[in-house]
Amino acid sequence: GESVGLHLPTLSVQEGDNSIINCAYSNSASDYFIWYKQESGKGPQFIIDIRSNMDKRQGQRVTVLLNKTVKHLSLQIAATQPGDSAVYFCAENNGVRAAGNKLTFGGGTRVLVKP
Amino acid sequence: KAGVTQTPRYLIKTRGQQVTLSCSPISGHRSVSWYQQTPGQGLQFLFEYFSETQRNKGNFPGRFSGRQFSNSRSEMNVSTLELGDSALYLCASSLKPATNEKLFFGSGTQLSVL
Repeated sequence: GESVGLHLPTLSVQEGDNSIINCAYSNSASDYFIWYKQESGKGPQFIIDIRSNMDKRQGQRVTVLLNKTVKHLSLQIAATQPGDSAVYFCAENNGVRAAGNKLTFGGGTRVLVKP
Repeated sequence: KAGVTQTPRYLIKTRGQQVTLSCSPISGHRSVSWYQQTPGQGLQFLFEYFSETQRNKGNFPGRFSGRQFSNSRSEMNVSTLELGDSALYLCASSLKPATNEKLFFGSGTQLSVL
């Protein structure tokens, strides 16, 4: 993903609807991907992860889809709630295997939940 | 279980000064990474430490440095501060340095350089 700086794309969602947040990643060699949620004044909070040998993973109310062919990642949030309002980041780990953690973050998407 | 703890929460410095930020990882976590977050550049990797050794480094000038202690706690230092160093500095910890390890972040230190 590329940083879009101050002008974060914004997704406005009606409470109770499903949200889909998309992310394009850059390195075809990346083998691990994470979605984070960041609320104002807080650090990124881990939501869900997926390894490159999978194309779908489900958590509580969240699903991550990975399409390695087009280097695309998406996060689906079911029955979006007001507490889901935040900035969401995708991140890829493109560190050399066994060399450690080195995440490259996308620019983020702001989700606004309307009551 | 306590999360990643960063101190101080806020810091104001002037150009040319230096600053030291502190991070205590989640108990049992031995890998600590540092990230810089700015509105213009987003989240960028600074460096990672494990067993008191730097294992990975991002594309930042030598003014940015860090270290890790035997209890896994980490500090980062920025010398000769510039206005552009104003940012939220985030620390993340994981059990070990591996490409599929979950990283957990602290709330960050908000540094303002005047």
